[in-house]
Amino acid sequence: ETGVTQTPRHLVMGMTNKKSLKCEQHLGHNAMYWYKQSAKKPLELMFVYNFKEQTENNSVPSRFSPECPNSSHLFLHLHTLQPEDSALYLCASNQKPGEKLFFGSGTQLSVL
Amino acid sequence: KNEVEQSPQNLTAQEGEFITINCSYSVGISALHWLQQHPGGGIVSLFMLSSGKKKHGRLIATINIQEKHSSLHITASHPRDSAVYICAVSQPGNQFYFGTGTSLTVIP
Repeated sequence: ETGVTQTPRHLVMGMTNKKSLKCEQHLGHNAMYWYKQSAKKPLELMFVYNFKEQTENNSVPSRFSPECPNSSHLFLHLHTLQPEDSALYLCASNQKPGEKLFFGSGTQLSVL
Repeated sequence: KNEVEQSPQNLTAQEGEFITINCSYSVGISALHWLQQHPGGGIVSLFMLSSGKKKHGRLIATINIQEKHSSLHITASHPRDSAVYICAVSQPGNQFYFGTGTSLTVIP
């Protein structure tokens, strides 16, 4: 248990569906991240929120939409995804930039 | 070319063997991290180091800043050590670079 909780653990969706991934941390961390992990590839940073403000958007397609309502919660809204978006989506947090990351267990997403 | 390279990509060992996983990086860093990912996805941070050596139980991590190289050693390996081990480096300003991971299987 790392203190970062992600739901759901598994998600299967069609290309026309809308779904949301949720991440919650009660570690008092100020920065939260969404990463994408595909087979045989390094983790890809998608979004960074620092003190609830989005500080980075790594050229992510608009079909992925992040939301950070407070410093403990982070969402990733998904709509009209493509099969190549199937991957493990990981949420992480840390106290401040560059420090040790705490990861959630991830959401395994399959887009049909 | 990835900023962080790991070797080997896959490793199978007999229980009790001494294991070494290597990591080389090509960027300036503030710290190097070793992460462990078990089947099921969750990633746990094992070490964060910026110089020298750290030890936790049977795990030892070393870093050579001049050579931009780090190693993760596992002594007396056990089947429960089977996992993917990921090397990552962090820079000031929160940029992290990750390796592709080393998949370790320890056979009883």
